[in-house]
Amino acid sequence: AQSVTQPDIHITVSEGASLELRCNYSYGATPYLFWYVQSPGQGLQLLLKYFSGDTLVQGIKGFEAEFKRSQSSFNLRKPSVHWSDAAEYFCAVGHGSGNTGKLIFGQGTTLQVKP
Amino acid sequence: NAGVTQTPKFQVLKTGQSMTLQCAQDMNHEYMSWYRQDPGMGLRLIHYSVGAGITDQGEVPNGYNVSRSTTEDFPLRLLSAAPSQTSVYFCASRVVGMNTEAFFGQGTRLTVV
Repeated sequence: AQSVTQPDIHITVSEGASLELRCNYSYGATPYLFWYVQSPGQGLQLLLKYFSGDTLVQGIKGFEAEFKRSQSSFNLRKPSVHWSDAAEYFCAVGHGSGNTGKLIFGQGTTLQVKP
Repeated sequence: NAGVTQTPKFQVLKTGQSMTLQCAQDMNHEYMSWYRQDPGMGLRLIHYSVGAGITDQGEVPNGYNVSRSTTEDFPLRLLSAAPSQTSVYFCASRVVGMNTEAFFGQGTRLTVV
């Protein structure tokens, strides 16, 4: 069955430090992969997505992610974290066929930023 | 530019009560879905719809009903609320397809006592 795993439930980094959030997926075919961010009390917002082409994708707010098929991973990175990046981050995979495609989410990683 | 609108934002129910969570979108998206978010479990799909008159079950459908009479609206009904349904509920809409962005409402925080 398709699944998404985010191994880190909670991560704390200092402001200005680099960030990497891990995401592993289980999916038989070429996956459609997404990263979403949820600020406190808000809905989810798309950061970036991958479905083909260049395996390094750029997103909003200075985030990027790299698709590695051999490792079944789609890790999110940011070179220098800002205090406003404190939020919960979700990795998701789109699966299914045609117009019944569903989004399956990982458990989420909460990012805390120290001043 | 409203996007996806959910009402109410907060609700407290007593066990056994029924209620409807409202969701409306103004982007003419065919695909709409309901998720529940619980700590440590991410978002789990309850029900989804690929167009008016078409609905299907997701991962955790028990205790919930949906209908889709228009493209814009996708209400979620709790028939007889249980404490296990205490959660944050999100409605999302997107263009049909697996690589399309989902747009989320701001959520409804439901407590069942």
